[in-house]
Amino acid sequence: SQQGEEDPQALSIQEGENATMNCSYKTSINNLQWYRQNSGRGLVHLILIRSNEREKHSGRLRVTLDTSKKSSSLLITASRAADTASYFCATDGVGAQKLVFGQGTRLTINP
Amino acid sequence: DADVTQTPRNRITKTGKRIMLECSQTKGHDRMYWYRQDPGLGLRLIYYSFDVKDINKGEISDGYSVSRQAQAKFSLSLESAIPNQTALYFCATSDPGGRGEQYFGPGTRLTVT
Repeated sequence: SQQGEEDPQALSIQEGENATMNCSYKTSINNLQWYRQNSGRGLVHLILIRSNEREKHSGRLRVTLDTSKKSSSLLITASRAADTASYFCATDGVGAQKLVFGQGTRLTINP
Repeated sequence: DADVTQTPRNRITKTGKRIMLECSQTKGHDRMYWYRQDPGLGLRLIYYSFDVKDINKGEISDGYSVSRQAQAKFSLSLESAIPNQTALYFCATSDPGGRGEQYFGPGTRLTVT
């Protein structure tokens, strides 16, 4: 079964707007990662946040982590058409030594 | 990613046939993984290997087998393909000394008729 659940499953916004995706998980984690997948292609790592971190930035990406609620969010600011993709969270569980992926959010940026 | 390659990229096969998907990497990573992706289900782990002598079952290993021929090569076999194994298959690598991020190949689209 999937560790993470993502919300929403699909999101469509206008170029220039901000996009927020959420991920919830079930067990204690070492870190949580976000990946992007362009249609039918391999996943690309975007950002990693450790369990003792609350917020992390990378360019237009902002990730937050709330371990008390077992949830994370990914914010993409000033979206561009090239941001159209599916976004997956993945958790590295304590003692697991492997990632468990959520079902993904399909993001569409309309020009 | 050119660092992680998968062959073939597309394959159509018939029910009952044995098929092998191959993965090679030039990143020098010890850890390699095979995932399956179905629409709406994200990625599910089939098998993973932390070094040449280490093979572990993942979430959905039934009907699959693997071989770690070298640090750089990790193959996935479907012993007797069935239609519900139609999916997108990804190979990935990671560095045990790194932070834990994985690097993915371009995927193999497999159709079993």
